[in-house]
Amino acid sequence: DAGVTQSPTHLIKTRGQQVTLRCSPKSGHDTVSWYQQALGQGPQFIFQYYEEEERQRGNFPDRFSGHQFPNYSSELNVNALLLGDSALYLCASSEKLIVNTEAFFGQGTRLTVV
Amino acid sequence: AQKVTQAQTEISVVEKEDVTLDCVYETRDTTYYLFWYKQPPSGELVFLIRRNSFDEQNEISGRYSWNFQKSTSSFNFTITASQVVDSAVYFCALSIPLQGAQKLVFGQGTRLTINP
Repeated sequence: DAGVTQSPTHLIKTRGQQVTLRCSPKSGHDTVSWYQQALGQGPQFIFQYYEEEERQRGNFPDRFSGHQFPNYSSELNVNALLLGDSALYLCASSEKLIVNTEAFFGQGTRLTVV
Repeated sequence: AQKVTQAQTEISVVEKEDVTLDCVYETRDTTYYLFWYKQPPSGELVFLIRRNSFDEQNEISGRYSWNFQKSTSSFNFTITASQVVDSAVYFCALSIPLQGAQKLVFGQGTRLTINP
């Protein structure tokens, strides 16, 4: 049973560019959340998708956008990259928007903006 | 607003010692959930435990135990007889049921190093 998979594992982009990160949820999961983890910090909630809609959003600018596909996989897009966007981006999946269930995390995408 | 504080940034102990990781949370909600996750060098967060706000029973799982005290808004994690494989960053997190969505609020994490 495959867990949460994210691609790519590492990425280097230049300021001002755009980036797309991808996530496939754990089998049987239909809810995907994205988190940003800066070096030495705890993960920060970006947004959550369920039934192809954004259900909840954290305190992130509109440069951060996402999408969920009918197969429950998800993309995170970041436009006009800033140096401060350098971080580990974690995808988490859970089941049926159940609030008290544990979220399963992928290994993340390490984004470096130069 | 919700907040989780892990005051211990780094802890280093010798193998077989017991170690406790502190977690203090803030929320005005009466219904909430608390979690502990482990983050090894590989990066993924590994779920350890979930506790809801109505269940103050302590829990033990092997060498791991958790102490939940609503009176002090704390949810501490103890590793007994620590092992080198326990070395990782540990995160405490809080979740509030909000419009059916689960948003985890994480603390800053505690980097635990177990020395042989």
